[in-house]
Amino acid sequence: AIRMTQSPSSLSASTGDRVTITCRASQGISSYLAWYQQKPGKAPKLLIYAASTLQSGVPSRFSGSGSGTDFTLTISCLQSEDFATYYCQQYYSYPVTFGPGTKVDIK
Amino acid sequence: EVQLVESGGVVVQPGGSLRLSCAASGFTFDDYTMHWVRQAPGKGLEWVSLISWDGGSTYYADSVKGRFTISRDNSKNSLYLQMNSLRTEDTALYYCAKDLEMATITGFDYWGQGTLVTVSS
Repeated sequence: AIRMTQSPSSLSASTGDRVTITCRASQGISSYLAWYQQKPGKAPKLLIYAASTLQSGVPSRFSGSGSGTDFTLTISCLQSEDFATYYCQQYYSYPVTFGPGTKVDIK
Repeated sequence: EVQLVESGGVVVQPGGSLRLSCAASGFTFDDYTMHWVRQAPGKGLEWVSLISWDGGSTYYADSVKGRFTISRDNSKNSLYLQMNSLRTEDTALYYCAKDLEMATITGFDYWGQGTLVTVSS
């Protein structure tokens, strides 16, 4: 199975900050990567798929980049509603695997 | 409006069996691959299984292979997960999720609210 890692595991930031989360795959996955946001008690929400394609309705302050093994999720100007946990997911091969998550909280 | 509503989660003893259901509405169910994803209390997301649009292909996480069976009934717009030989480590909130694009695997664009399975003696 492809192992996904994320860094950092958590971070503290302020509203207006630029935040970058890194995801690494244990082997190349081309651009078969998605990013999700999850708030406490809620189901995950798809933010980005195909590494850099913004899902419909997701604010443009979210962006994704990367291919192969290294990927990033960037929030250009953190808003209060962005405090949440973020997961990457590869769907290049089965089993589909998620990263362990990055919790973004208020500094 | 797309809706996914899971049901069937209960408290069950180790070694027991359970069937989860997911009722889908608001989209053409038989066009899409469907997934089960679980989340243990306070933990991250773990993909469990998928089934292709026609039920012809299924895949499982190693942790559930041989114990869980995914199925669907397109005439009823329903997804199922038969869970046998349950273990305490199967305790989790189980989500059903719809794939974004037809007849392929992409991201999961709609999720249910989840149904809680607790395996405990």
